[in-house]
Amino acid sequence: GAVVSQHPSWVICKSGTSVKIECRSLDFQATTMFWYRQFPKQSLMLMATSNEGSKATYEQGVEKDKFLINHASLTLSTLTVTSAHPEDSSFYICSAPAWGSAHRALYEQYFGPGTRLTVT
Amino acid sequence: TQLLEQSPQFLSIQEGENLTVYCNSSSVFSSLQWYRQEPGEGPVLLVTVVTGGEVKKLKRLTFQFGDARKDSSLHITAAQPGDTGLYLCAGRRTNAGKSTFGDGTTLTVKP
Repeated sequence: GAVVSQHPSWVICKSGTSVKIECRSLDFQATTMFWYRQFPKQSLMLMATSNEGSKATYEQGVEKDKFLINHASLTLSTLTVTSAHPEDSSFYICSAPAWGSAHRALYEQYFGPGTRLTVT
Repeated sequence: TQLLEQSPQFLSIQEGENLTVYCNSSSVFSSLQWYRQEPGEGPVLLVTVVTGGEVKKLKRLTFQFGDARKDSSLHITAAQPGDTGLYLCAGRRTNAGKSTFGDGTTLTVKP
């Protein structure tokens, strides 16, 4: 199946600084990628849809000026958490759709391994 | 309003027992996925169901998609400690559209 990587896998930063998280599709191109946030023992919450060559689409309640998304190429999307605060500490996961191995006519969502952000 | 309601939220059972996780919605989905996630990792796709009434089996796991494509279930037979994890259902309304996730079911299988 398709592989999605994320970097870094974990990061600790001080309050007020910015952190950039990269999401890469390694063996396929993705015009769209999705960014999720997950708190311990909870489900994934969609933050935004990253679109290559155009602005990201943010879900209701997500501050676009705080969570900057840039889809620089067909294989790379970045999420920058600006002026991070302790409440931004979370597990951030990206995903990208690709043609499925089981259903050739169906897109499957392939998830990255996630990035653990801790803001002190 | 949560589009996908998953139940139960937590489940703790002994090795060898059977269990069923439910994923219900009032919305129709073009496809529904089940994922399993371990702590500190991203979700891993288990199965995709597309056709109403479809039943898929993956070893001891049986997945069912409701006739109206609004609900789904995951049944695990003879659970093993290795089945421990967070199980997530997710629905999509269009093929390449965004996924809506259920609340998740945290399963613990005790040896």
